[in-house]
Amino acid sequence: RKEVEQDPGPFNVPEGATVAFNCTYSNSASQSFFWYRQDCRKEPKLLMSVYSSGNEDGRFTAQLNRASQYISLLIRDSKLSDSATYLCVVNKGGNTGKLIFGQGTTLQVKP
Amino acid sequence: NAGVTQTPKFQVLKTGQSMTLQCAQDMNHEYMSWYRQDPGMGLRLIHYSVGAGITDQGEVPNGYNVSRSTTEDFPLRLLSAAPSQTSVYFCASSYSPGWAQETQYFGPGTRLLVL
Repeated sequence: RKEVEQDPGPFNVPEGATVAFNCTYSNSASQSFFWYRQDCRKEPKLLMSVYSSGNEDGRFTAQLNRASQYISLLIRDSKLSDSATYLCVVNKGGNTGKLIFGQGTTLQVKP
Repeated sequence: NAGVTQTPKFQVLKTGQSMTLQCAQDMNHEYMSWYRQDPGMGLRLIHYSVGAGITDQGEVPNGYNVSRSTTEDFPLRLLSAAPSQTSVYFCASSYSPGWAQETQYFGPGTRLLVL
C-alpha cells in the first residue's frame, strides 16, 4: 500500500462545477498536511496547508479527517485556470524532515 | 529574491557518465531537499539536508550523492548515470523541516535523459 494515495483521474468538469478530491495516508503519526498544485511541466507550488479544523481560501476548502486518515480538497465554481494536477502531501511522521507526495490528481476544466 | 534556482534545465547523458545538478536558494532556508518525479508516481525524496554540513538519505538515495557546504547551495551528484535515472529532478527549500506547517519552495526542475 502506498503511503499517500490519490485517484489520478483525470477529472473532467465544466466551468462552474464543484469538484472534490480525496487523499488517504497510512501513517497515523503524520502531523502536517498540504495540497500542492502542479501545472504541466512546472514545479509544484503550495495551494494550501490543511489544518485539523479545516480551512478555506476563496473557492478552495481543505479538510482533514484524522480518524479515517484522509484529506479532501473541494473546489467550487471551477475556472479554466484551475486545470492542473493537485498533489496531496503528508509528512512522514515524528520529527523527520520527510514529506511524502501522492501521485497527484489531474483536473481538466472545460469551457 | 530569485527563490530556488536549478541548473541545467535539460541534460542528456550517456550511461556511465557523471554529472552534478546545481541547486541554490537565496531565502536563508535551513532545510533543502532533492526529489525525482517519474510518470505515474509522486515526487520521491532522494536526499535532504537540515542545515550546512548535515545531510541524510531519503526514499531513493542509491546512485546519488549530496553535500551541503553552505546554507545556499545543495548540489546533487550522479556518480555513474543509468537509464533508470531518467527523470525530472526538483530541488526544494523551506525555513524548517517538513514536519512543520511550512511551505516548501521548489526550483523549476532539471529534465534528465540518460541514454
